[in-house]
Amino acid sequence: GQNIDQPTEMTATEGAIVQINCTYQTSGFNGLFWYQQHAGEAPTFLSYNVLDGLEEKGRFSSFLSRSKGYSYLLLKELQMKDSASYLCAVRDQAGGSYIPTFGRGTSLIVHP
Amino acid sequence: ETGVTQTPRHLVMGMTNKKSLKCEQHLGHNAMYWYKQSAKKPLELMFVYSLEERVENNSVPSRFSPECPNSSHLFLHLHTLQPEDSALYLCASSPSVARAYNEQFFGPGTRLTVL
Repeated sequence: GQNIDQPTEMTATEGAIVQINCTYQTSGFNGLFWYQQHAGEAPTFLSYNVLDGLEEKGRFSSFLSRSKGYSYLLLKELQMKDSASYLCAVRDQAGGSYIPTFGRGTSLIVHP
Repeated sequence: ETGVTQTPRHLVMGMTNKKSLKCEQHLGHNAMYWYKQSAKKPLELMFVYSLEERVENNSVPSRFSPECPNSSHLFLHLHTLQPEDSALYLCASSPSVARAYNEQFFGPGTRLTVL
């Protein structure tokens, strides 16, 4: 199975840039997802990476290095509403399943 | 709104009660999931249904019993639960379990408290 590691909590200032890292170990990597979850709400999809490199989507970007088992989510021009938990999820095809496994999530606190 | 609804949003039950959680998706997806989310723990996959057939059951205790009458509805029947079962129960759907790109759409969850 996967071993997914993310920092538990991060803080940042409004307007700044923050990078949330995710490392993983798989034997049959087949995609990595990032989700955002505000307190008391459903997780919502942010990004998907399956090839190495950077995927940019507005203020959010996600990077993947398959050889290093590493991804990060980059949030620019932080806003107070970005305070949320960010979940990294990895799909490992080795078990014959396309269903991703989730990390514990990183709680991001944005302060003025 | 993600197109996935769950009821009830909050549930308090005793250990001897029987209750059911309901999930409905309006997205035309073929796969539906139940997850358990506890504080400080990763999302735990409980059950997966593909076209109304259960395809995964992650060693979940028998006091949790899923039901998928059609591809739009998913239930989780609860009986004789334990206090450690208190958690947020999330339902999700996706177009398929077998597609390479398989974004999941989550419902808002049911906050369950077992007394």
